Amino acid sequence: DVKVTQSSRYLVKRTGEKVFLECVQDMDHENMFWYRQDPGLGLRLIYFSYDVKMKEKGDIPEGYSVSREKKERFSLILESASTNQTSMYLCASSWTGKRLNEQFFGPGTRLTVL
Amino acid sequence: AQTVTQSQPEMSVQEAETVTLSCTYDTSESDYYLFWYKQPPSRQMILVIRQEAYKQQNATENRFSVNFQKAAKSFSLKISDSQLGDAAMYFCAYDNNDMRFGAGTRLTVKP
Repeated sequence: DVKVTQSSRYLVKRTGEKVFLECVQDMDHENMFWYRQDPGLGLRLIYFSYDVKMKEKGDIPEGYSVSREKKERFSLILESASTNQTSMYLCASSWTGKRLNEQFFGPGTRLTVL
Repeated sequence: AQTVTQSQPEMSVQEAETVTLSCTYDTSESDYYLFWYKQPPSRQMILVIRQEAYKQQNATENRFSVNFQKAAKSFSLKISDSQLGDAAMYFCAYDNNDMRFGAGTRLTVKP
């Protein structure tokens, strides 16, 4: 079974702190994604990566950065956390190519910024 | 940009009954994929069912089936013989190398 894990299920941080969210997948997937999930808005893509050291902005990249130094690991960084970044963060991964593009999701990290 | 609309924020169904969740999308593409994902409370999001746009036949997975109307850009999910474990947020998604999710429908199953 594909496994996508995230470093924390719950996280509480203070405004201005630098926050690291980590995601690891064990299926040698090329693509990895970071979403935030907010009520009434569904999932919105923050960043994605289709290869090591490659990254692309999604719909809402402002205030975030990412790092992908190894194929299995994709980190989301909040450079200076703000209260409007309080949200559920979901990591996902998928193969490249015609495998029906299914994304496999991690359990999510619920981040609260005080 | 493609958009996905789920017009029902919440739905409720009696155990053993059938429920249909609606989804419409907007695209100018002819080749794409559609998905329904399920997110149970405090649990991981998982794929329920998928449909390739070039296939006319509606996908089915056990109690889950879709009604795919390509011309109408509609992709509804039917859950038959609903079970308590079906209670979850359901997300419709469209993918053409750029996956887009709807806002979700929260399904409650009443015993």
